[in-house]
Formats: sequence, C-alpha cells, structure tokens
Amino acid sequence: NAGVIQTPRHKVTGKGQEATLWCEPISGHSAVFWYRQTIVQGLEFLTYFRNQAPIDDSGMPKERFSAQMPNQSHSTLKIQSTQPQDSAVYLCASSSWDWGGYEQYFGPGTRLTVL
Amino acid sequence: GQQVQQSPASLVLQEGENAELQCNFSSTATQLQWFYQSPGGSLVSLLSNPSGTKHTGRLTSTTVTKERRSSLHISSSQTTDSGTYLCAIEMNYNQGKLIFGQGTKLSIKP
Repeated sequence: NAGVIQTPRHKVTGKGQEATLWCEPISGHSAVFWYRQTIVQGLEFLTYFRNQAPIDDSGMPKERFSAQMPNQSHSTLKIQSTQPQDSAVYLCASSSWDWGGYEQYFGPGTRLTVL
Repeated sequence: GQQVQQSPASLVLQEGENAELQCNFSSTATQLQWFYQSPGGSLVSLLSNPSGTKHTGRLTSTTVTKERRSSLHISSSQTTDSGTYLCAIEMNYNQGKLIFGQGTKLSIKP
C-alpha cells in the first residue's frame, strides 16, 4: 500500500499563473479530502468528494479555486491566477468511509510558493 | 471562537518522562482523530477515538464525549517523539471534514 500520493511535492509559480495539484488516494478508499496548511491559519478544510461526487466545498475560496475527481484514482486541485496569499502546503487525504467510524490518511502534501 | 483548542501549546520534557496533551472542543464530536507531524513532515494518524479509551504502543487516548474533551498520553517519551501533535474532530455525523486544533509542539530532550 503506497499511501496517498501527491504530486508535485513542491511548486513555485509567479503571481497570476495557474497551479494544478494532483492527488492519488489509497486504492479502495471512497472519500478524498483537500486541506491547506499555513503557519498562521493552521490546517483548514477546503473540499471533499465521496465516490467521485463533490460533497462539500465550503472551505474553497470561490473565485479562483476548483477541484475535480474525474475517476476513483485521482483528484486535482486547480488554482487560477495564483496570489502570494495562496502560498501554503496543500494536503490531500483519503478514507474508506465505513459506517461506524473511519480514519483519514494524509499524503505528504504539495508546498506551493507564489512569488 | 476556536472550535478545537489544544493545550499546552508547547511542552518540553526530558526523555523518559510522560507527556499529557489535551484537546477540548466546542461541539459534539462524532469523530476524533489524533495526528503526529514532524517538522516539515506529513500528518501521520495515531489514533481514532471518538469515545472511550484506546491504546496503541506507548500512546493512550481518552475521550469523554459529553465533556467535549480528549487527552493523549505518551508514556516513557523518546527524543523521536518530538514534533507537533494535532487533534481533529468531525462535528456532525457523516459531515466528513475534520476541524483541526492548532497543535501541541512537543520537544523531548535527551
């Protein structure tokens, strides 16, 4: 079991450029979550999918962020027109979503730096 | 206000001492998970414990749901235990998303 895979591990963009982050969940897990971690705000929920369907995007900045899960083996987080305040570590997690309790397992994260 | 509060913010111990970390939350938690994060590292799930007491290795977590608190006890601490410990809750059943505390930074001196 390779765990949750995130690529790239580091990404540097210029202000106004686009960034696409990739996540491959643990095989067999039906839920995928995206979080963002900064020193000031800590860990914040962004969005999640269950069985590829978007369930909750309440944490997503509305204008420039979007997430997709085109198949059960990967999800993408896209940030258009990146701004310096988007600099953060973006974390993907997956879970098996068994009734009665579950655990979320996190990937290593993508460190996004916007210059 | 903050929905998940962890204390202390930082803790320095000598190797071999026991550590006690606290997590208090403002709403009923249907799921509670403790994580470990090394400096610059990823989140590692330690325990899932929405209620009662759970043990794994040198770790013991006790969650008292009606009092909205959980603790993580680390016995016989080792220098490799140094890092940040995060508590996270799911506030409504099947809501999915975890809400994290700010963490406790643990430093174990040799």
